[in-house]
Amino acid sequence: DSGVTQTPKHLITATGQRVTLRCSPRSGDLSVYWYQQSLDQGLQFLIQYYNGEERAKGNILERFSAQQFPDLHSELNLSSLELGDSALYFCASSTTGTMNTEAFFGQGTRLTVV
Amino acid sequence: AQSVAQPEDQVNVAEGNPLTVKCTYSVSGNPYLFWYVQYPNRGLQFLLKYITGDNLVKGSYGFEAEFNKSQTSFHLKKPSALVSDSALYFCAVRTDGGATNKLIFGTGTLLAVQP
Repeated sequence: DSGVTQTPKHLITATGQRVTLRCSPRSGDLSVYWYQQSLDQGLQFLIQYYNGEERAKGNILERFSAQQFPDLHSELNLSSLELGDSALYFCASSTTGTMNTEAFFGQGTRLTVV
Repeated sequence: AQSVAQPEDQVNVAEGNPLTVKCTYSVSGNPYLFWYVQYPNRGLQFLLKYITGDNLVKGSYGFEAEFNKSQTSFHLKKPSALVSDSALYFCAVRTDGGATNKLIFGTGTLLAVQP
């Protein structure tokens, strides 16, 4: 168990809908990362937060947004969902988010858009 | 831009034999390299990292990796493979050469260890 908690584990929703994925980082970790894993795209970096502020942005669609709250948990909001958004979404956390710190991953949320 | 390449989609090895999973990287600054393993229906687990210093780093479950700056490689190795090592392995890199310190992953290599 990495100490990173993601909810829900599974989510099935229809096209056009909006969902929120939640992540609780390891105790004491200030940095949170979101990744999307799909068969055709592999593991894609979406966005990183550090202590409530956006630190780095990757291949995140405009329909997607995220935030990190004062208690350091994070939420990833996905809207106007399309079939192609079906994927495994991972959250990871690290102590500081600096170069030499490894990230610890949650077990992911499997999103299925039908 | 930073990138990581894992040239082999799959590596097959017999139990008890040594294994190598290859990784090469491209960065504009100093590389910070990581290996992760993913078991079916699980998140990624950290195995080891290279930051600086000794080119041979040791990690969890008997794995080690060798950093080679001239070849821009960071291959994962294990002297004697176990069937339980069968999983998906990811190499990842960060660099201090850009504006951000994104952790970028390779496409993954499926390791299959036959009994």
